Amino acid sequence: QQQVKQSPQSLIVQKGGISIINCAYENTAFDYFPWYQQFPGKGPALLIAIRPDVSEKKEGRFTISFNKSAKQFSLHIMDSQPGDSATYFCAASSGGSNYKLTFGKGTLLTVNP
Amino acid sequence: DAGITQSPRYKITETGRQVTLMCHQTWSHSYMFWYRQDLGHGLRLIYYSAAADITDKGEVPDGYVVSRSKTENFPLTLESATRSQTSVYFCATRHRGTDTQYFGPGTRLTVL
Repeated sequence: QQQVKQSPQSLIVQKGGISIINCAYENTAFDYFPWYQQFPGKGPALLIAIRPDVSEKKEGRFTISFNKSAKQFSLHIMDSQPGDSATYFCAASSGGSNYKLTFGKGTLLTVNP
Repeated sequence: DAGITQSPRYKITETGRQVTLMCHQTWSHSYMFWYRQDLGHGLRLIYYSAAADITDKGEVPDGYVVSRSKTENFPLTLESATRSQTSVYFCATRHRGTDTQYFGPGTRLTVL
């Protein structure tokens, strides 16, 4: 049972464009939604995270949009750069489960120069 | 500050052999986690630990054993390796009272 569904599997964007990755979840107990960035040969690293009490969070070029009623959240990368080329994972967790993360399957982002 | 180290970084073993992957942290974070990463599956939780001597199963625990006698170490043992356990294994930590999980560099395990 996949509790966090992520799309698309892969994404190609031109430099300067907007990259959008979407996730949907099923468990209404989830109350923490992070995005992780992973470069080849490295471990995932936290990029940005949101809690359901806000609908949007922005950090630099990265923005999370959150829709509680639709049980969806998305990552927007503005002015995408070749250095943003990586695999991105959405995840979700709840305090009731010791904040164990349930991950989406990942999106491979390629930003062409 | 080393943070999280995993050893070995690469391991090739044969079916049926026992292999132990090590995870060491220098932060004294309460929580430690083991994930496996496979193409098409993302990251799946194998086991986690809330403190020394406290461990619990994750999503895919079969075929794995963990222990945590010291806060800083969280070894993962494959008692009898199978080809389906070929994967990249990541250790992660989280400090009690915070949200962020920090991941180690990973161990690439190949079972022949």
